[in-house]
Amino acid sequence: AQKITQTQPGMFVQEKEAVTLDCTYDTSDQSYGLFWYKQPSSGEMIFLIYQGSYDEQNATEGRYSLNFQKARKSANLVISASQLGDSAMYFCAMRGSYNTDKLIFGTGTRLQVFP
Amino acid sequence: ETGVTQTPRHLVMGMTNKKSLKCEQHLGHNAMYWYKQSAKKPLELMFVYNFKEQTENNSVPSRFSPECPNSSHLFLHLHTLQPEDSALYLCASSQPSGGVTDTQYFGPGTRLTVL
Repeated sequence: AQKITQTQPGMFVQEKEAVTLDCTYDTSDQSYGLFWYKQPSSGEMIFLIYQGSYDEQNATEGRYSLNFQKARKSANLVISASQLGDSAMYFCAMRGSYNTDKLIFGTGTRLQVFP
Repeated sequence: ETGVTQTPRHLVMGMTNKKSLKCEQHLGHNAMYWYKQSAKKPLELMFVYNFKEQTENNSVPSRFSPECPNSSHLFLHLHTLQPEDSALYLCASSQPSGGVTDTQYFGPGTRLTVL
């Protein structure tokens, strides 16, 4: 069975500092994709970054980067230079090759950025 | 309108009411999804439509009835709901390629309260 684990229910970070949000996954698929989404209090899930299991380089999108360690089955999100607007829930998700319709989500981490 | 829109944003209904949630995507995608997000639980996939055909029903009770008249519109018809059905209902769309890279784009959700 596929599973996403986010062990940090809440994180605090000071503005302009970097923060790492943890995500570990479990799958028997050889090909899979990993996603991070941001959910502000308004409710919308905003796509941030994608990492494929065969990608040799860590994905980066602006201030977001994904620290992908395949052997450890981890896909941590790193946010550099945190901003107050980064305060939100962050969800890690995975899609396997066996059922490409399904995106499996973790329980999320609430990030709070303080001045 | 851009992206994925959902109406209404908030809905309060009694257990004997019948109501419908509407989702529209302006991204030219051919796959649409309904998710349920309850407090302190991972996002749960409910239904998937690919090219207007339902391809996934994740053991959802029959009091939830989806409808996909075309690739841009998705409805969720609700009848005789229970208080435990109160949740945020999120719609998403993607362009299916059959692979793991498809990114799902979400709407802002409908916050449903069942009295």
